[in-house]
Amino acid sequence: GESVGLHLPTLSVQEGDNSIINCAYSNSASDYFIWYKQESGKGPQFIIDIRSNMDKRQGQRVTVLLNKTVKHLSLQIAATQPGDSAVYFCAEKYSGSRLTFGEGTQLTVNP
Amino acid sequence: GAGVSQSPRYKVAKRGQDVALRCDPISGHVSLFWYQQALGQGPEFLTYFQNEAQLDKSGLPSDRFFAERPEGSVSTLKIQRTQQEDSAVYLCASSPTFSDTGELFFGEGSRLTVL
Repeated sequence: GESVGLHLPTLSVQEGDNSIINCAYSNSASDYFIWYKQESGKGPQFIIDIRSNMDKRQGQRVTVLLNKTVKHLSLQIAATQPGDSAVYFCAEKYSGSRLTFGEGTQLTVNP
Repeated sequence: GAGVSQSPRYKVAKRGQDVALRCDPISGHVSLFWYQQALGQGPEFLTYFQNEAQLDKSGLPSDRFFAERPEGSVSTLKIQRTQQEDSAVYLCASSPTFSDTGELFFGEGSRLTVL
């Protein structure tokens, strides 16, 4: 069946470095992708989204890249800060309004 | 309030008890979702409302799970005869649009522990 998964369950970076979190998806019919950040004890927080007719979208310190050829999604965080430490989920939408989430990557930023 | 509010934040139930989890979405948001998040996993879809209409309940794991949103605002997720496998965080999310956007605004969740 279709699934959304992450290559790396954990990622540890130094403060100030750039972070890259990867995600693979398997449903070619997915037309909308979102990255969420979830801190401990809180609900997921929207970071950035991208539609399938785009291959790149930039926000404040974050960039999402979409490669439909290999069904790959990545989140780049520039100048990572301790406050960026959290679990990051990618999610896809391909069936009505339902979002399908991946398993998440734990990002740890070392001061 | 400014965000999605869920109550209770923590609930401990004995196996076989019924529980009710409440969600107050952001005022005016037409779409409301319930997700279940097991420890260390991503959220999994349970059900979706557009105003008071439950348009998708395909994610509900069994007939012990029931959700309602009678007036198109507050929603309640009810779990009957709880089982240990029901232990999870139940997340509610709302959206101002009719589902075309994925920008869901999540509450902090209700953590259910079934003993």
